[in-house]
Amino acid sequence: QSALTQPASVSGSPGQSITISCTGTSSDIGGYNYVSWYQQLPGKAPKLLISDVSNRPSGVSNRFSASKSGNTASLTISGLQAEDEADYYCSSYTSNITPVVFGGGTRLTVL
Amino acid sequence: EVQLMESGGGLVQPGRSLRLSCAASGFTFGNYAMHWVRQAPGKGLEWVSGISWSSGYVRYADSVKDRFTISRDNAKNSLYLQVNSLRTEDTALYYCARDIYGVLRSPDYWGQGTLVTVSS
Repeated sequence: QSALTQPASVSGSPGQSITISCTGTSSDIGGYNYVSWYQQLPGKAPKLLISDVSNRPSGVSNRFSASKSGNTASLTISGLQAEDEADYYCSSYTSNITPVVFGGGTRLTVL
Repeated sequence: EVQLMESGGGLVQPGRSLRLSCAASGFTFGNYAMHWVRQAPGKGLEWVSGISWSSGYVRYADSVKDRFTISRDNAKNSLYLQVNSLRTEDTALYYCARDIYGVLRSPDYWGQGTLVTVSS
């Protein structure tokens, strides 16, 4: 069982917006602003979309945005495109012995 | 351009060992913490191990503690993972990833991975 909880799947139509949640505890998401989001296209390595809760690295589309409230972080993808179909993972720094934890991943299907 | 290239994976029998390597380029390797993250076939990401910029802070997932050893050589821009006493459940694609910071907080750049298959 993953330390962070994500929905297994979400779906949306082109042009719509979707939100993926990532729920942890006060020892990880709730306690620190080191939440990241990754996109993994089929057969590819993960790619950083968001770091430090809501910071979008250079080159990442502004259709991707993220936030945090309490122990839950959220990734929003607006203006869905077919190319967004991928697996999405959240991660957080944690005060536990293992300093980084991942969510179980969410498969996004663009209908 | 940040580049990370893993090597050293392969097919190995249970109980045997491997040494995974990660060659880094395009950034000042010695300034950043580094991670190993694995992904079993069809499964999600699992953090395996991490090391701070100076090697002064290392951590392991419970599932690999006492079997895996992470190390780095800043002069050679290289990260390593010695994997001993391999089990079938260690079968996975092993990714090398750079941290955003010099300490273990959050991976940013990832390599393409090296596949470790443990089978008799």
